[in-house]
Amino acid sequence: EVQVWESGGGLVQPGGSLRLSCTASGFTFDDYAMTWVRQSPGRGLEWVSTISGNGADTYYPDSVRGRFTISRDNSKNTLHLQMNSLRAEDTAVYFCAKQMMTATWTADCWGQGTLVTVSS
Amino acid sequence: QSVLTQPPSVSAAPGQKVTISCSGSSSNIGNHYVSWYQQLPGAAPKLLIYDNNQRPSGIPDRFSGSKSDTSATLGITGLQTGDEAEYYCGTWDRSLSTVVFGGGTKLTVL
Repeated sequence: EVQVWESGGGLVQPGGSLRLSCTASGFTFDDYAMTWVRQSPGRGLEWVSTISGNGADTYYPDSVRGRFTISRDNSKNTLHLQMNSLRAEDTAVYFCAKQMMTATWTADCWGQGTLVTVSS
Repeated sequence: QSVLTQPPSVSAAPGQKVTISCSGSSSNIGNHYVSWYQQLPGAAPKLLIYDNNQRPSGIPDRFSGSKSDTSATLGITGLQTGDEAEYYCGTWDRSLSTVVFGGGTKLTVL
């Protein structure tokens, strides 16, 4: 069974840092790009970052570029999101998701999410 | 303000059919495939439709997708109370160079 699950969320002060992790099982991890998507309380989905299967290519929206870094350890089937200079507006549930091998971004397996709260 | 526009809510009776629209532009839906996600209350999103109209294994054929020009539509037939959820469309936007989602549509099965 294909599964991904997140860890590492918590309460952090504005300007602080946090590292999220996502562990995967049930598929050949390095064959697939992986993605982080977040959802602020009561709001919709927002794409945060994507990394290619071999880790060579990374993608970010302007809202997090320069503050967040996505990485992966294919030897451990693990995805990471290093979040620095955190702001109140980064408060959200962060989902890890496996991407399909399709022409357009599509996430076919999502974790349950981990809550990040940025507050003093 | 989401790049893709969805109605905030739709409703229908059990057994009936409902459609959810997703409107975009030539920089997103007009030139890229659309996927649809179902998010039950308190749960993670779940892929329902990819490449405009393809269903992943395990998704019943009550769920269908279509696309025309810069709009996409999710259809659900034989509505069940278990279908009550938030539904999101998503795709790539070549002008913004980002993945974009609709704002979500809350389905109520009356």
